[in-house]
Amino acid sequence: DTGVSQDPRHKITKRGQNVTFRCDPISEHNRLYWYRQTLGQGPEFLTYFQNEAQLEKSRLLSDRFSAERPKGSFSTLEIQRTEQGDSAMYLCASSLGGEDQPQHFGDGTRLSIL
Amino acid sequence: KNQVEQSPQSLIILEGKNCTLQCNYTVSPFSNLRWYKQDTGRGPVSLTIMTFSENTKSNGRYTATLDADTKQSSLHITASQLSDSASYICVVSPVNDYKLSFGAGTTVTVRA
Repeated sequence: DTGVSQDPRHKITKRGQNVTFRCDPISEHNRLYWYRQTLGQGPEFLTYFQNEAQLEKSRLLSDRFSAERPKGSFSTLEIQRTEQGDSAMYLCASSLGGEDQPQHFGDGTRLSIL
Repeated sequence: KNQVEQSPQSLIILEGKNCTLQCNYTVSPFSNLRWYKQDTGRGPVSLTIMTFSENTKSNGRYTATLDADTKQSSLHITASQLSDSASYICVVSPVNDYKLSFGAGTTVTVRA
C-alpha cells in the first residue's frame, strides 16, 4: 500500500528543542497539506503546497514553524524552540488537483513536549 | 465559530445495535461533504462523499444522508461491530477552496 507515510510516528522532546517531521505523499499527488490535531478536535489547517510551492500558511503557523517541499515530492515540517502548546498530532495529507479530489491522510506524528 | 458542528460528542452502543451521528454545517456554497473515520492513533480515512445534489450514499454498513436545504448530514451505522469504535469526522469542502472545514468528531465506542 503506497499511501501517505509520515515519520516518525511518535516524538517526545524537551521544551525548547527543535523537531522535524517528514511526510511522503502518494507519488502522483501534486498537492500536500499539513494539519494539527489536538485531542477531541478535528484537524486544523496549517499549510498547503502545490508541487514545490507553498501557497498558503495558516495564522496558526507561527514563525517557529517552517515547512518545505523542495522537489515537489516529500515535505518536512520543522518546529523550532518547541513549547508545551505544540503537543499535538501533526497530520499530512495529499491529493491530486481539483476540489473533488479526496485528501488522503497519513497516520500522523504524535508530538509530546515534556 | 466552527462552521461544522457535530453531535453527540461521544456515544456508547452495544455491539449489533445501530446509531446515527449528526452534522450541521454553515459552509456555503460547498462542493462536497465527506465523513471520515479515524481510529485511535491513526489518520482519518474517507468513508463517504456526497456532492450538494446527492441525498444519500452508502459504504457497507455506513449510510450518509445530506439535506442541503437545512444544511444537515447524518451518518448511520448499522449492526455495529467492535471495529466501528473510532472518531467519525464530518468534513465540508467549500467551492473553489482546498481548505476543508472539519467538525470536532463524534467518538463512538462499541461494547460487546
